[in-house]
Amino acid sequence: SAVISQKPSRDICQRGTSLTIQCQVDSQVTMMFWYRQQPGQSLTLIATANQGSEATYESGFVIDKFPISRPNLTFSTLTVSNMSPEDSSIYLCSVSVAGASGYTFGSGTRLTVV
Amino acid sequence: GENVEQHPSTLSVQEGDSAVIKCTYSDSASNYFPWYKQELGKRPQLIIDIRSNVGEKKDQRIAVTLNKTAKHFSLHITETQPEDSAVYFCAATNFGNEKLTFGTGTRLTIIP
Repeated sequence: SAVISQKPSRDICQRGTSLTIQCQVDSQVTMMFWYRQQPGQSLTLIATANQGSEATYESGFVIDKFPISRPNLTFSTLTVSNMSPEDSSIYLCSVSVAGASGYTFGSGTRLTVV
Repeated sequence: GENVEQHPSTLSVQEGDSAVIKCTYSDSASNYFPWYKQELGKRPQLIIDIRSNVGEKKDQRIAVTLNKTAKHFSLHITETQPEDSAVYFCAATNFGNEKLTFGTGTRLTIIP
């Protein structure tokens, strides 16, 4: 399965600022997925990032708040913009590799907004 | 889109007994059903998965069953051990093409 390096692992940010989270995959993947996991909750998909096209956002998530870049087949970033305390969550990236077993997750970014 | 329901939300089991977690899905096009274990502060880890052309799959103490007609699948853990304590998530997707939709999670506690 693919190995994902995600950073930062955690951050404490002031409200109104932005944070960019990076995911680097050790193999080429078509789609990368960004999830949010609020404390004690399940994983909610924010958007799907395809290389060479605009990301596809799920209901309740917008590009202005969560801009995504996907410059190549091994890398993606998610920015959490104009943060408020409600954005405090764990953010995870995920990929699936054709022929491999399942979807793999990055180690997550624990974001606290104060 | 896909909707996955998961029950129970919490489950306490005596060490050595079996645990069963159940999920239902809504989209008949879904063909891949993984189960993830998430320990506190860690990423979800795939523990077992099943594809729609198979009715049951087993890996040591863990098994998953799938009923396509009823659109439900279950995780079975036998001879539970303290290290099985974690949150378990089921998920469903059309593998390789679509996003994973997760269930709401089950907090499993193994009582020594």
